[in-house]
Amino acid sequence: QTLVTQEPSFSVSPGGTVTLTCGLSSDSVSTSYYPSWYQQTPGQAPHTLIYNTNTRSSGVPDRFSGSILGNKAALTITGAQADDESTYYCVLYMGSDIWVFGGGTKLTVL
Amino acid sequence: QVQLQESGPGLVKPSETLSLTCTVSGGSISGYYWSWIRQPPGKGLDWIGYIYYSGSTNYNPSLQSRVTISVDTSKNQFSLNLSSVTAADTAMYYCARIRNPNLYMDVWGKGTTVTVSS
Repeated sequence: QTLVTQEPSFSVSPGGTVTLTCGLSSDSVSTSYYPSWYQQTPGQAPHTLIYNTNTRSSGVPDRFSGSILGNKAALTITGAQADDESTYYCVLYMGSDIWVFGGGTKLTVL
Repeated sequence: QVQLQESGPGLVKPSETLSLTCTVSGGSISGYYWSWIRQPPGKGLDWIGYIYYSGSTNYNPSLQSRVTISVDTSKNQFSLNLSSVTAADTAMYYCARIRNPNLYMDVWGKGTTVTVSS
């Protein structure tokens, strides 16, 4: 089964910039996988940040941006804030009506 | 705006069938794709499957033999059945709406915890 890979953890200083990535075990990620990104804080449901690679969901601050970097999808947070401390999940559409979540990246802001 | 609410038993015995319902309010279930996602304690999110309002479905291959998702448009609800459960099925279960095109989950329920234990 294809694995969607994310960094298990990352840290960023307040005000800093961090880029989280989302890769595939057996292919390059492209826009054809419709990458989307979700933020989850402990005890809460996921919240949609980015869809279709780089489109921000309604109400999402513009410090969050999505892109393709090399062979991976990427989520960049510019000017990180304390309340960005969360776990971030990417999802890829694999075709044939199958979606796969990455394992999530736990982001620490300190 | 559209809101989703999961409901169902919080405790299921091993080997039995887990049954959950997601009620859609503030909008119609028609015209959209709907999905179930789960999250075992302390672990990541896992896509279970989806249903289109017309009834077409697809499931995570790892769960396909045990999963059935159905829809009741008259009640604005869709449901998850997971048979032959074990402790590994203990998780928070979320329902979500999938937007097409763009193929992403845009609205999520708050989730419901299901524990599998005798």
